[in-house]
Amino acid sequence: NAGVTQTPKFRVLKTGQSMTLLCAQDMNHEYMYWYRQDPGMGLRLIHYSVGEGTTAKGEVPDGYNVSRLKKQNFLLGLESAAPSQTSVYFCASSFLPGSPLHFGNGTRLTVT
Amino acid sequence: KQEVTQIPAALSVPEGENLVLNCSFTDSAIYNLQWFRQDPGKGLTSLLLIQSSQREQTSGRLNASLDKSSGRSTLYIAASQPGDSATYLCAVRLTGTASKLTFGTGTRLQVTL
Repeated sequence: NAGVTQTPKFRVLKTGQSMTLLCAQDMNHEYMYWYRQDPGMGLRLIHYSVGEGTTAKGEVPDGYNVSRLKKQNFLLGLESAAPSQTSVYFCASSFLPGSPLHFGNGTRLTVT
Repeated sequence: KQEVTQIPAALSVPEGENLVLNCSFTDSAIYNLQWFRQDPGKGLTSLLLIQSSQREQTSGRLNASLDKSSGRSTLYIAASQPGDSATYLCAVRLTGTASKLTFGTGTRLQVTL
């Protein structure tokens, strides 16, 4: 009964370093999303996918890339981390676009 | 651009009280509205989802209502318990957007003994 699993839970990067956040879901959901949550700004959509092999830009895509090579996995990459990318990142999935979203527990990223 | 507002930002009530959390949105062409709960350091848990054709949804002690014409939704929590302490967020999906959910910034609820 795992649901949506995010790894890692915490990470500290230096400016300019790269990293990949992994999201895995075991609910056979078509739709997957990456959000960032910042104090006072709510959750903002970075990128999303409507199925295996597809990706699309959300509200704040700059500085991030994504891939959905397998239906159950959605990867978020930071090629050259910046302090402005310090945030908590959440992955979510849903069966249909209008279905309830299921969230992972988040990755807390600090860029120094 | 859809804007979602939740007021108040924080609320403290004694155990046993009934309470109402508010969510306002600016664009009434919504597809559905979802209420979430977020515990500290955790992800969001879906509580209730109301489709645009519905007026309310109930789950246990929770009741969510939707009034599209006034751009408002309320989450009613009956007989509050300390375990209800969390941040509650609402999110609105507009008609015609496959993926775009606009979130409010949440109301942080504390239920005291």
